[in-house]
Amino acid sequence: AQKVTQAQTEISVVEKEDVTLDCVYETRDTTYYLFWYKQPPSGELVFLIRRNSFDEQNEISGRYSWNFQKSTSSFNFTITASQVVDSAVYFCALRSSNQGGKLIFGQGTELSVKP
Amino acid sequence: GAVVSQHPSRVICKSGTSVKIECRSLDFQATTMFWYRQFPKQSLMLMATSNEGSKATYEQGVEKDKFLINHASLTLSTLTVTSAHPEDSSFYICSASPVSYGYTFGSGTRLTVV
Repeated sequence: AQKVTQAQTEISVVEKEDVTLDCVYETRDTTYYLFWYKQPPSGELVFLIRRNSFDEQNEISGRYSWNFQKSTSSFNFTITASQVVDSAVYFCALRSSNQGGKLIFGQGTELSVKP
Repeated sequence: GAVVSQHPSRVICKSGTSVKIECRSLDFQATTMFWYRQFPKQSLMLMATSNEGSKATYEQGVEKDKFLINHASLTLSTLTVTSAHPEDSSFYICSASPVSYGYTFGSGTRLTVV
């Protein structure tokens, strides 16, 4: 079975704090892709990153960084020096090679960054 | 970049009427599109996979006769909510895959049934 778990439903931080959003996934496939999306209040989904199962290198993009650990089936997302504009719901998602292109989303983490 | 256009962005309809939502790929061809539904404070749940020129594949528990999907061309998929009821009020969002293992999402449609 394919499953994505984001255990943190809501996180509240003060501006400039660092924050990590957790994501744990389950799949029996050896080839799969992991994604993070940001959903601001307007509702659209903003693509942040895609990572395939064969690439465990961590990635940094500005204030964003991702830690992919196959050993623990985790793909965590860290925002450094958070800003009010980072306030949104963040979704982790999984696409396995045998799922016909379907994305399985986690429950989402609502991040609130207060000034 | 690849763009998926979704219309309308908001719709209010009376209970018992039908509503059609369009999803268009503007600068690429999409043989497959995906329809999701999102209730407030919840995750996106896949409703169905729309296949150009053939029947859609529905996820378990999704009523085929209630949520009609048509994918008549390589750039257009439509979702029709038939005989809508207040419990169908939700945020509906479509997506397509312009590149291998990448996804582009529409801006979503907020449906309110009164």
